[in-house]
Amino acid sequence: RKEVEQDPGPFNVPEGATVAFNCTYSNSASQSFFWYRQDCRKEPKLLMSVYSSGNEDGRFTAQLNRASQYISLLIRDSKLSDSATYLCVVNSGGNQGGKLIFGQGTELSVKP
Amino acid sequence: EPEVTQTPSHQVTQMGQEVILRCVPISNHLYFYWYRQILGQKVEFLVSFYNNEISEKSEIFDDQFSVERPDGSNFTLKIRSTKLEDSAMYFCASSGQQTRGYTFGSGTRLTVV
Repeated sequence: RKEVEQDPGPFNVPEGATVAFNCTYSNSASQSFFWYRQDCRKEPKLLMSVYSSGNEDGRFTAQLNRASQYISLLIRDSKLSDSATYLCVVNSGGNQGGKLIFGQGTELSVKP
Repeated sequence: EPEVTQTPSHQVTQMGQEVILRCVPISNHLYFYWYRQILGQKVEFLVSFYNNEISEKSEIFDDQFSVERPDGSNFTLKIRSTKLEDSAMYFCASSGQQTRGYTFGSGTRLTVV
């Protein structure tokens, strides 16, 4: 099983659509979880951290289910500028300098 | 907003040559990292560095690789004898606290010919 696995994509949606990304992780000891966004040939940029209680930032909502080892990201009212690759990222554990494990990414293309 | 700065943005080198990739992490951060991304593939962890020593490294980070923090601001990745398969985007990152998101630099695109 891959350490972090995401929907294969790509997702092609019209402006204004709601789109959901799913992710699973294999290491039950993982302690922190993130969604990053990566534009073509650019660095990953933190979109939001993901907490067990669920959290929302404007049009973006992230959920974490530790029992199922499942993470999700919902984007409402999608904009053209949301087009990017969305990376599910898990911090591997509790040691200092814990490494981030990246999923392979799900590409989103928002069309007019 | 504080940034992680990487230089150069693009480096072309001949196979077998040594390269040094440079990074200036965010000044009050304590943890430093190198990641790489081969074109079309996922971002992969190489090494983490804390308190002037390597805290973890991946299988990719073999004897050809080394890291150094030569002064209070720079953090470097050296590849001693580059191979064609080292061609990738190399990202430096830093963090202040483990549970917060890391800040990535804009990357160095390394092309080995």
